[in-house]
Amino acid sequence: KQEVTQIPAALSVPEGENLVLNCSFTDSAIYNLQWFRQDPGKGLTSLLLIQSSQREQTSGRLNASLDKSSGRSTLYIAASQPGDSATYLCAVSAQTGANNLFFGTGTRLTVIP
Amino acid sequence: NAGVTQTPKFRVLKTGQSMTLLCAQDMNHEYMYWYRQDPGMGLRLIHYSVGEGTTAKGEVPDGYNVSRLKKQNFLLGLESAAPSQTSVYFCASSRVPGRNTEAFFGQGTRLTVV
Repeated sequence: KQEVTQIPAALSVPEGENLVLNCSFTDSAIYNLQWFRQDPGKGLTSLLLIQSSQREQTSGRLNASLDKSSGRSTLYIAASQPGDSATYLCAVSAQTGANNLFFGTGTRLTVIP
Repeated sequence: NAGVTQTPKFRVLKTGQSMTLLCAQDMNHEYMYWYRQDPGMGLRLIHYSVGEGTTAKGEVPDGYNVSRLKKQNFLLGLESAAPSQTSVYFCASSRVPGRNTEAFFGQGTRLTVV
């Protein structure tokens, strides 16, 4: 069974700092990996999708990398802002009949003004 | 641009009561899913559907039933609610599997069973 782990569970940084969130998964048979943002009491907002054949994907201040063979992904946030405070979830898309996502437990990010 | 819409957004049930959660998507997606999110745990798959008229069990299906009579709708039913079913429920939809297939999520239903 696919296991997804996110480290750290919580992170607090001063505004303006660059930061890295980590995600690891146990089974490399994936279609893709998605990073989501979740604000308290809200739904999931998709940030980036990296296909299994890609190494990285960028959107604005966000850059996600994928090393499928080692089962790792990182989300890099440049010049963090208080508005980036949220929980970030990593999920891998299984190559199974369900094609469902396996989620990590998330990293709760706080950016201090 | 509705995407995935869940109804209701909040609900409080008494133990033993029944209810149905509705998920509707307007993207003509084949695949639909129900997940639950509990503190300290990642989202877990309850049931899923790969097309109209089909359903299948996910990781945590006990106590739930589902139906997909129309392609755009996926219903999650609780026949006899238990406190252990207190959770946040998310519906998602996607196209057929592929490297570029992205999952889209609803805003969630916060259910409390007392």
